[in-house]
Amino acid sequence: RKEVEQDPGPFNVPEGATVAFNCTYSNSASQSFFWYRQDCRKEPKLLMSVYSSGNEDGRFTAQLNRASQYISLLIRDSKLSDSATYLCVVNSNTGNQFYFGTGTSLTVIP
Amino acid sequence: ETGVTQSPTHLIKTRGQQVTLRCSSQSGHNTVSWYQQALGQGPQFIFQYYREEENGRGNFPPRFSGLQFPNYSSELNVNALELDDSALYLCASRSGRDSQGKQYFGPGTRLTVT
Repeated sequence: RKEVEQDPGPFNVPEGATVAFNCTYSNSASQSFFWYRQDCRKEPKLLMSVYSSGNEDGRFTAQLNRASQYISLLIRDSKLSDSATYLCVVNSNTGNQFYFGTGTSLTVIP
Repeated sequence: ETGVTQSPTHLIKTRGQQVTLRCSSQSGHNTVSWYQQALGQGPQFIFQYYREEENGRGNFPPRFSGLQFPNYSSELNVNALELDDSALYLCASRSGRDSQGKQYFGPGTRLTVT
């Protein structure tokens, strides 16, 4: 079983739409959770950390459900510039290894 | 820009050869991790160095090895290259061993093995 699983998509949504991505992780002892964004042929860039209480950064909202071992990312009012691959990242229980999902591809259509 | 740099940006090698990739971490970061990203996949953790010692390793064979230097820059060495080693190799730096530390990626080295 993979440490982190994501729906690869692709998600094709119109501008202004709300879109949600989910990610599940297998290790209940995992401590830290992140969403990264990766543009085509570029390096991943940190989008936001995910906290137990949930957190918001502008149009982006991240949620963590430890009981069900899943993480979500909600994007409201999608912009063309949101088109990218979104990677779910979970750390190991030792804190020394970060596991990445395969990424979910998002295309926002005019 | 993250302040993490990698060299070279692109590299072509033949099967059986050896390769060394380099990474300079962001100022103040003493932890460097290396990842392999195959096309269409997420980055896969190779290993991590903290203060010049390896302190975490993913499921990669021993022909993948590394070093970290006193200035916290790092090298990834791959011996006996195989076709499946073709990938984007990313390094990421962060501060400390704390798992809460966010990591910042360099632009990557794209390795092609023919």
